[in-house]
Amino acid sequence: DTEVTQTPKHLVMGMTNKKSLKCEQHMGHRAMYWYKQKAKKPPELMFVYSYEKLSINESVPSRFSPECPNSSLLNLHLHALQPEDSALYLCASSQDPGGGTEAFFGQGTRLTVV
Amino acid sequence: LAKTTQPISMDSYEGQEVNITCSHNNIATNDYITWYQQFPSQGPRFIIQGYKTKVTNEVASLFIPADRKSSTLSLPRVSLSDTAVYYCLVGDISNFNKFYFGSGTKLNVKP
Repeated sequence: DTEVTQTPKHLVMGMTNKKSLKCEQHMGHRAMYWYKQKAKKPPELMFVYSYEKLSINESVPSRFSPECPNSSLLNLHLHALQPEDSALYLCASSQDPGGGTEAFFGQGTRLTVV
Repeated sequence: LAKTTQPISMDSYEGQEVNITCSHNNIATNDYITWYQQFPSQGPRFIIQGYKTKVTNEVASLFIPADRKSSTLSLPRVSLSDTAVYYCLVGDISNFNKFYFGSGTKLNVKP
């Protein structure tokens, strides 16, 4: 199984809502990532989890809150987002930050903030 | 971080070989070169990775000259389904989080 599964595929939320994005992988990968991608732009790294601990936060606003409950799951909690946060949110995993050669990406969650 | 420069877009026809070049003048000794493919509304997919000379797999070849300041992704006999954005990434292979996506090349394959 070389799949990274993201749910939901689409999400529309109001600026006062709280929602969560979920990501799951069963490849035994110990590094997991969140990326944000705006239309016609490359993916931008947001967070990196290494062995279930947050290792990189690319100065992401606190209205985005990542969580790694276990080695297979990664969540992104959303609260009080702005319309400019509308984007495709991608989750990825790699075997190990210290030895991975390939990252596997999910299909993404298309988020619209209204 | 090594900055990469790619053409914004390229056009090709079905059956042709396509070569996409990426410039990375300040590549570091420990850096590898990796290419990803992305279709609309999907996550990027790993294509190929290399350090020097030539690497070939079932879908592409990667050519890296001796000075490693550039690299060329070669796609043999493209089809319409190869229409996508291709990203060149340069970074330390020991740490994927040091791989950042460049601007990418939009390849349009025409019938």
